[in-house]
Amino acid sequence: GENVEQHPSTLSVQEGDSAVIKCTYSDSASNYFPWYKQELGKGPQLIIDIRSNVGEKKDQRIAVTLNKTAKHFSLHITETQPEDSAVYFCAAKMTNEKLTFGTGTRLTIIP
Amino acid sequence: KAGVTQTPRYLIKTRGQQVTLSCSPISGHRSVSWYQQTPGQGLQFLFEYFSETQRNKGNFPGRFSGRQFSNSRSEMNVSTLELGDSALYLCASSLVVAADNEQFFGPGTRLTVL
Repeated sequence: GENVEQHPSTLSVQEGDSAVIKCTYSDSASNYFPWYKQELGKGPQLIIDIRSNVGEKKDQRIAVTLNKTAKHFSLHITETQPEDSAVYFCAAKMTNEKLTFGTGTRLTIIP
Repeated sequence: KAGVTQTPRYLIKTRGQQVTLSCSPISGHRSVSWYQQTPGQGLQFLFEYFSETQRNKGNFPGRFSGRQFSNSRSEMNVSTLELGDSALYLCASSLVVAADNEQFFGPGTRLTVL
């Protein structure tokens, strides 16, 4: 089955700086890669996703890049703000198969 | 549009008991997936239902079961509870199961087994 590795497990950045979280996946058949943000006491919230026919996608301060050859994808958050502090999860999925999640990154924005 | 709702939000049970959790998906969504979240194991897939049929199943013992009703609402049941079943149980809904479509999560049910 699919296996997703996520790094780093914790990340602290100064407010205004950029944050990058990286994930690798094992199955080249995976074609959908969402990112979720989970705040304390809440369920994961989808923040951005990318499909295998696209190399990069951007939504305001958030961007995701996908390298199919290397089987890795990354989340980039620019101009970080205190409300960006949360746990972020990457995931990978093949058509008709379940979502496999990474182990999560606890992001702390230092004011 | 209302999001995914889960009931109850918190539950305390003792070992050996059984529990039923409920999930109402976003209106129009026909697929419901269940996940177990623990600090040690992270987010682990339990099962997925689409049109009242189980489509995928994770690696959990038979004590974990689920079902989906004709209105797409879903329930999951855990029998003979063990201490290790203490976790946040999350439900996610999506429009269909066949495509690489978005899943939207509910707030979860926090189950504590004493």
